[in-house]
Amino acid sequence: GENVEQHPSTLSVQEGDSAVIKCTYSDSASNYFPWYKQELGKGPQLIIDIRSNVGEKKDQRIAVTLNKTAKHFSLHITETQPEDSAVYFCAASGNFNKFYFGSGTKLNVKP
Amino acid sequence: EADIYQTPRYLVIGTGKKITLECSQTMGHDKMYWYQQDPGMELHLIHYSYGVNSTEKGDLSSESTVSRIRTEHFPLTLESARPSHTSQYLCASSLTGRSGYTFGSGTRLTVV
Repeated sequence: GENVEQHPSTLSVQEGDSAVIKCTYSDSASNYFPWYKQELGKGPQLIIDIRSNVGEKKDQRIAVTLNKTAKHFSLHITETQPEDSAVYFCAASGNFNKFYFGSGTKLNVKP
Repeated sequence: EADIYQTPRYLVIGTGKKITLECSQTMGHDKMYWYQQDPGMELHLIHYSYGVNSTEKGDLSSESTVSRIRTEHFPLTLESARPSHTSQYLCASSLTGRSGYTFGSGTRLTVV
């Protein structure tokens, strides 16, 4: 089955700086890569996703990049704000079947 | 506004009790999932269903059971709760070929 690894497990940045979270996957059949944000006391929420036919996708301060050859994808958050503090999960899926999640990154944005 | 609902949000029960965690979605999603989230954050798949009358065990062994009699409803049952079942339980759903997961807000279960 698929194996998704996520790094780092914790990340602390100063407000206004950028944050990058990286994930690798093992199954070349995976073709859909969502990112989720989980705030305290809530379930994870989809924030951005990318399909394997696209190398990069951007939505305001958030961007995701995908390198199919190397089997890795990354989440980039620019101009971080305290409300970006949360746990972030990457995931990989083949044709929207079962999703395989990374182990999570706890992001702390210091004001 | 959430289209997938989990009840209760918090539950404290005694050892040996039978409990059912409810999960319902109004999006017409065919696939539904139960995840157990440990304090270290990791999400562990314990059950999933690809449609009515279809249920499968996930990657993490669990003493719970599930049923899928209606598309919108996917309850999880523990016949005899133990302290080791203390955890956060997250329900999710998705539509075949169309979407990622939508998660509920979770049920935080404490067995004393």
